[in-house]
Amino acid sequence: GQNIDQPTEMTATEGAIVQINCTYQTSGFNGLFWYQQHAGEAPTFLSYNVLDGLEEKGRFSSFLSRSKGYSYLLLKELQMKDSASYLCAVRDSNYQLIWGAGTKLIIKP
Amino acid sequence: IAGITQAPTSQILAAGRRMTLRCTQDMRHNAMYWYRQDLGLGLRLIHYSNTAGTTGKGEVPDGYSVSRANTDDFPLTLASAVPSQTSVYFCASSDISGANVLTFGAGSRLTVL
Repeated sequence: GQNIDQPTEMTATEGAIVQINCTYQTSGFNGLFWYQQHAGEAPTFLSYNVLDGLEEKGRFSSFLSRSKGYSYLLLKELQMKDSASYLCAVRDSNYQLIWGAGTKLIIKP
Repeated sequence: IAGITQAPTSQILAAGRRMTLRCTQDMRHNAMYWYRQDLGLGLRLIHYSNTAGTTGKGEVPDGYSVSRANTDDFPLTLASAVPSQTSVYFCASSDISGANVLTFGAGSRLTVL
């Protein structure tokens, strides 16, 4: 079966750095996505990785290792507004998105 | 403002009733999707449409139907609602090119009693 694993919940301090991991086992691979979802709101796109390596976008970076079936989302200089759930999703060989259950990130002052 | 509009925002209905969730996008995206989101689970695809006039079944299609008469609208119908269909429903769309990033509507919270 296809599976995406992420930690259920993480806590970090304002101004710090946090890394949210995602491991996947899917039928093929055609890209990995990270979305942010604030409570009660819609998911919004953060990043896309299709090749190995690090993609940096401001305070957020996303890393991919296809051989290890592994990705992480790195958030720097954490702000209170970063409190949200972070969803990892992989596009499989049929171009269907497989979603993880999401990681709830709690930021403390 | 370009985006996706879903209606209703929230609804409570009795089991056995018929319900249609509406979804309209103004981005001229080819593809549209319906997902449900339940606590502790990832988003699950119910139905999708790659272009107007075509639809396909996702991971959890039973009890739901869709239509795609034009590019902009993609309604989801529950013919006879059951309590297990209590969920938050998200409509999404994408332009099938490049990364094929999804844009989501604000969601419809449905409670079936």
